Amino acid sequence: NAGVTQTPKFQVLKTGQSMTLQCAQDMNHNSMYWYRQDPGMGLRLIYYSASEGTTDKGEVPNGYNVSRLNKREFSLRLESAAPSQTSVYFCASSEVQVGQYYGYTFGSGTRLTVV
Amino acid sequence: LAKTTQPISMDSYEGQEVNITCSHNNIATNDYITWYQQFPSQGPRFIIQGYKTKVTNEVASLFIPADRKSSTLSLPRVSLSDTAVYYCLVGSNDYKLSFGAGTTVTVRA
Repeated sequence: NAGVTQTPKFQVLKTGQSMTLQCAQDMNHNSMYWYRQDPGMGLRLIYYSASEGTTDKGEVPNGYNVSRLNKREFSLRLESAAPSQTSVYFCASSEVQVGQYYGYTFGSGTRLTVV
Repeated sequence: LAKTTQPISMDSYEGQEVNITCSHNNIATNDYITWYQQFPSQGPRFIIQGYKTKVTNEVASLFIPADRKSSTLSLPRVSLSDTAVYYCLVGSNDYKLSFGAGTTVTVRA
């Protein structure tokens, strides 16, 4: 099925470890996003990529880096994981064009626990 | 970016109609209104989008008054499976759309 695929679905890290969350979309969307969701809260934007070759900070970028590898793939890296980064991470994609707006398609999420 | 305000939670019973109102007083001319649904352990799912007046699809209806300062998502004859968090977003050609806490709708038998 077409959509956004995230890997892994679950991960446990020790404080200080690093890891990369992978995201790929097959809808030929220009824009991709990484959000985090903490219990009882909405989704907060970490980073986004408006188009291939560009990335920008969102609301909560500290402690994260991203790479827009190509049009399909957008990865999120935690260089030195901290317990405060325990969260559910969602990747999304959308098509944003001048004069038009389309909704987001989300992946199923990565549940990350940092101990 | 237009800020939205919606109720934190709503309770309903199976078969009833649920109406969730979202306030967006500073909506811009080019902004669209989009609603998402999120089930536990899943990512949000697009439900419906509109610019003005009324939009209806197989899942819900969206009512937008002429001044566009609010919108109402209507879920007809809800079932237990409609229990979810519903988010109202307002935006256009921007990339930093904010998902607030949303409205938790609980449907009881």
